[in-house]
Amino acid sequence: DIQMTQSPSSLSASVGDRVTITCRASQSISKYLNWYQQKPGKGPELLILAASSLQSGVPSRFSGSGSGTDFTLTISCLQPEDFANYYCQQSYRSPWTFGQGTKVEIK
Amino acid sequence: EVQLVESGGGLAQPGGSLRLSCAASGFTFSSYAMHWVRQGTGKGLEWVSAIGTAGDTYYPGSVKGRFTISRENAKNSLYLQMNSLSAGDMAVYYCVRERSSKDAFDIWGQGTMVTVSS
Repeated sequence: DIQMTQSPSSLSASVGDRVTITCRASQSISKYLNWYQQKPGKGPELLILAASSLQSGVPSRFSGSGSGTDFTLTISCLQPEDFANYYCQQSYRSPWTFGQGTKVEIK
Repeated sequence: EVQLVESGGGLAQPGGSLRLSCAASGFTFSSYAMHWVRQGTGKGLEWVSAIGTAGDTYYPGSVKGRFTISRENAKNSLYLQMNSLSAGDMAVYYCVRERSSKDAFDIWGQGTMVTVSS
């Protein structure tokens, strides 16, 4: 199975900060890497697909980069509605696997 | 509106069974691979099963032999039959659409809670 490791597991940031979350795959997954946002009591929502493509309707302050084993999600200017949990996920092959999540909290 | 609505969650005894359903609307259900993903309370996301457009199925080792995913395209419905349930299966179960092959999960339901307790 492909293991996905996210870091950090949590972070504290202020509105307006630039935030970076990293995700590492245990083997190369090309660009088959997706990012999701989940708010309390809700299902996850797709933010970024194929490592760097913004899902329709997602604000442009979100961006993704990387290929192979190392990937990054960046929020350029953190907004109050961005405080949430973020997960990476590989769609390279079954079993589909997720990172353990990163909780973005208000400083 | 594209929508997935799960039902069938509830309380099951250890060793018992439960069948989840997912009603799809707003898109051509038969054209998409579908998945179930679960999340224990305060925990991360865990993929549980998948079914392709041709009916091919996939499971992780943790549920293989106990869970069965199926679909009924005429009813725009996805199912998950869960047998031999244990405390480790207790979670919110999400019905999820895969955008296309090797692609992201673009539509998620609101989830249905499964509790396993005597």
